[in-house]
Amino acid sequence: DAGVIQSPRHEVTEMGQEVTLRCKPISGHDYLFWYRQTMMRGLELLIYFNNNVPIDDSGMPEDRFSAKMPNASFSTLKIQPSEPRDSAVYFCASSLETGSYSGANVLTFGAGSRLTVL
Amino acid sequence: GENVEQHPSTLSVQEGDSAVIKCTYSDSASNYFPWYKQELGKRPQLIIDIRSNVGEKKDQRIAVTLNKTAKHFSLHITETQPEDSAVYFCAASRVGIRHSSASKIIFGSGTRLSIRP
Repeated sequence: DAGVIQSPRHEVTEMGQEVTLRCKPISGHDYLFWYRQTMMRGLELLIYFNNNVPIDDSGMPEDRFSAKMPNASFSTLKIQPSEPRDSAVYFCASSLETGSYSGANVLTFGAGSRLTVL
Repeated sequence: GENVEQHPSTLSVQEGDSAVIKCTYSDSASNYFPWYKQELGKRPQLIIDIRSNVGEKKDQRIAVTLNKTAKHFSLHITETQPEDSAVYFCAASRVGIRHSSASKIIFGSGTRLSIRP
């Protein structure tokens, strides 16, 4: 398995532009998480899905952020319009929860998408 | 809501000495506590985890301890080496409970560990 695949790896855009980040989780994983990492705030959970259904989006900063998971192998995080304070590394991670105490919820992270909004 | 506090934010130790990182959690229903290591420019990767039915777990030079009563857990690295230099994150979550929001994994703020030669 190629692991969790994220694109783009780097994105530089101007304030006000729409940004779309993409993620392909590990095949068979039933959880997908979007995290944002900054020096000031560390790793913040934005939203997570279980079996393609959004379970908790309480970490999404504001209405400018939206996430979708149309099928088990693809998710997007969209920012519209983007602002300089959105500059961060956005990580996608997937996991398989067995519902028991054996190997559950081990996150496998993608390489991250580094977003710079000018 | 759920919260995980991590200390210290930075830690510098002499090569060969031990390093200890401490975390506390707020959700008493948390039962799974992983530790992730993030090297510079890389993605976080799991290095060790512990379940709430265990008080201590060891893997070579790394050990984790859990005090459920006090709601805190710690990472211990012995005989530190240059390759241990990284940012370490603790986290807390629930597993095996299929309720909404039960599986969210909340991370601490991270500890930047530097090993002095």
